[in-house]
Amino acid sequence: GNSVTQMEGPVTLSEEAFLTINCTYTATGYPSLFWYVQYPGEGLQLLLKATKADDKGSNKGFEATYRKETTSFHLEKGSVQVSDSAVYFCASDTGGFKTIFGAGTRLFVKA
Amino acid sequence: EAGVAQSPRYKIIEKRQSVAFWCNPISGHATLYWYQQILGQGPKLLIQFQNNGVVDDSQLPKDRFSAERLKGVDSTLKIQPAKLEDSAVYLCASSLESASYEQYFGPGTRLTVT
Repeated sequence: GNSVTQMEGPVTLSEEAFLTINCTYTATGYPSLFWYVQYPGEGLQLLLKATKADDKGSNKGFEATYRKETTSFHLEKGSVQVSDSAVYFCASDTGGFKTIFGAGTRLFVKA
Repeated sequence: EAGVAQSPRYKIIEKRQSVAFWCNPISGHATLYWYQQILGQGPKLLIQFQNNGVVDDSQLPKDRFSAERLKGVDSTLKIQPAKLEDSAVYLCASSLESASYEQYFGPGTRLTVT
């Protein structure tokens, strides 16, 4: 069946460090891929998405590229800030009907 | 625009009791989702409605959980009777159409079963 696997956390970085959070998926067909973020005390919100192979989603300095050949959608940011501390969820839809979420990766950014 | 509203925000009940959660999606959103998020895990879909019809309830424990979406707008999720393992955050989300559209999440209801 469909699944999403993302790297375990927590990830602890110093401010201005480079961030990578790995995400791989298994799916039949061609799902859309998402990164959602959950800031402390808040609900999940969409960070970025990509709907087909080689698409790059980007928002707030974060980027992720839909790699069909490696079934990956890794999240990257060149220079993290303390305000980026949150839990990040990778997700895949199953052809438009159901979204499957990864377990989440908690990011701590130290000043 | 107003976001997805959920109530209550917190609920503590004893096992074998019943509980109900309410969700009001964003106006005009056809699809409504209920997720269960256990501490340290990602959200797990319980049930998905398209307007007032059920699209997917394959992971809903139907012996104790029920949900309805009257008139294709707001929705209630009920647990009866509750078990200890039902302790979780229950998230409601809505989207314009299907899951390939952005989902907008409510703040969630944190349920503790003692």
